[in-house]
Amino acid sequence: GAVVSQHPSWVICKSGTSVKIECRSLDFQATTMFWYRQFPKQSLMLMATSNEGSKATYEQGVEKDKFLINHASLTLSTLTVTSAHPEDSSFYICSAILAGGSDTQYFGPGTRLTVL
Amino acid sequence: DQQVKQNSPSLSVQEGRISILNCDYTNSMFDYFLWYKKYPAEGPTFLISISSIKDKNEDGRFTVFLNKSAKHLSLHIVPSQPGDSAVYFCAARASNTGNQFYFGTGTSLTVIP
Repeated sequence: GAVVSQHPSWVICKSGTSVKIECRSLDFQATTMFWYRQFPKQSLMLMATSNEGSKATYEQGVEKDKFLINHASLTLSTLTVTSAHPEDSSFYICSAILAGGSDTQYFGPGTRLTVL
Repeated sequence: DQQVKQNSPSLSVQEGRISILNCDYTNSMFDYFLWYKKYPAEGPTFLISISSIKDKNEDGRFTVFLNKSAKHLSLHIVPSQPGDSAVYFCAARASNTGNQFYFGTGTSLTVIP
């Protein structure tokens, strides 16, 4: 149990376009999901906390208007990278916490974004 | 400011021997710690956790030790297996700051057959 999926797993786009990444909890409800970004050989950097039915909480330094997060249901959160640029190329990972469960975060497999 | 540090970027161990991965933290308010394992191009997989009320937690081949006074935790894997080869991240959280976990930079473990 506690499986989290992400779609797509890899996306290549042109500079200036927008890309949407989906994060789904497949077999559980997640009131809270997290979005991370990982640069090569670096740790996971928390970008934002996504709460179902409310606005996401962004970490300092993360542009809200560039990284749009929507948590429309208890099993789906989306991250939209708007007007992507090459510096946005990275590995984006989401995680989810079981509603009413422990604090353990279950991670998705990640999405590799390459902006040309 | 890196609040969770893993000072060894890589570690190589012979199969069957013990692997010890270390993690240091600076925030004395951290009270919950986790270890994750990550394969390339995949998301991290939860391994084991420990709360600050304990100094040891064991799950099969994996044991996590917490030394609060030294602000240090370690993950012991024994016996090490080739399938354990991966990047290991430690993460820490302070309960009074919500759900934000701070991750270390990871240690790449290679278990040599």
